[in-house]
Amino acid sequence: QQQVKQSPQSLIVQKGGISIINCAYENTAFDYFPWYQQFPGKGPALLIAIRPDVSEKKEGRFTISFNKSAKQFSLHIMDSQPGDSATYFCAASMAGYQKVTFGTGTKLQVIP
Amino acid sequence: ETGVTQTPRHLVMGMTNKKSLKCEQHLGHNAMYWYKQSAKKPLELMFVYNFKEQTENNSVPSRFSPECPNSSHLFLHLHTLQPEDSALYLCASSQAGGPYEQYFGPGTRLTVT
Repeated sequence: QQQVKQSPQSLIVQKGGISIINCAYENTAFDYFPWYQQFPGKGPALLIAIRPDVSEKKEGRFTISFNKSAKQFSLHIMDSQPGDSATYFCAASMAGYQKVTFGTGTKLQVIP
Repeated sequence: ETGVTQTPRHLVMGMTNKKSLKCEQHLGHNAMYWYKQSAKKPLELMFVYNFKEQTENNSVPSRFSPECPNSSHLFLHLHTLQPEDSALYLCASSQAGGPYEQYFGPGTRLTVT
């Protein structure tokens, strides 16, 4: 019940295209859903996050869509660029608990 | 130095060695974490410290021994490791009272031979 399932495992997108990464969770007590971006040789960095009281959050080319009833959320990267090539992790956490549950990651490659 | 730093960046050790990983955060946070990152597996939380006190030990084998002398420094002491312990070890920090925004260091790539 603590798992966050992430798909796909890897993704190849052409420059200018839309990258979409999906995550699903079971525990309805989760109340914060961040996405992390990790480049090779670096630690994960917080990219964007959403709470379940909103259905969408947009920051620049990055958008989180959240479907509370389906217990799913997704990251959309618009106008994908080669510099977006990285591994993306979805995650979930709940108030009062210091554990963050991470997905298994999606390796995104944006080709010119 | 800014953010979260970790040393060494790479470490190769034999199964009978003793070594330590170091983490330092320059963000004024009061919670620190150790994670293990293995290929194709979710990040595994190992330990959590709040205000220098260990508040979480995620069933980690005793061959991993954490130490947090103050809110800015975190160590992971390693001894008699196994080859399956080879992984990227990540340190993170955040404000205590909420895990909401964790800031990660670059990690230490550990290889156990």
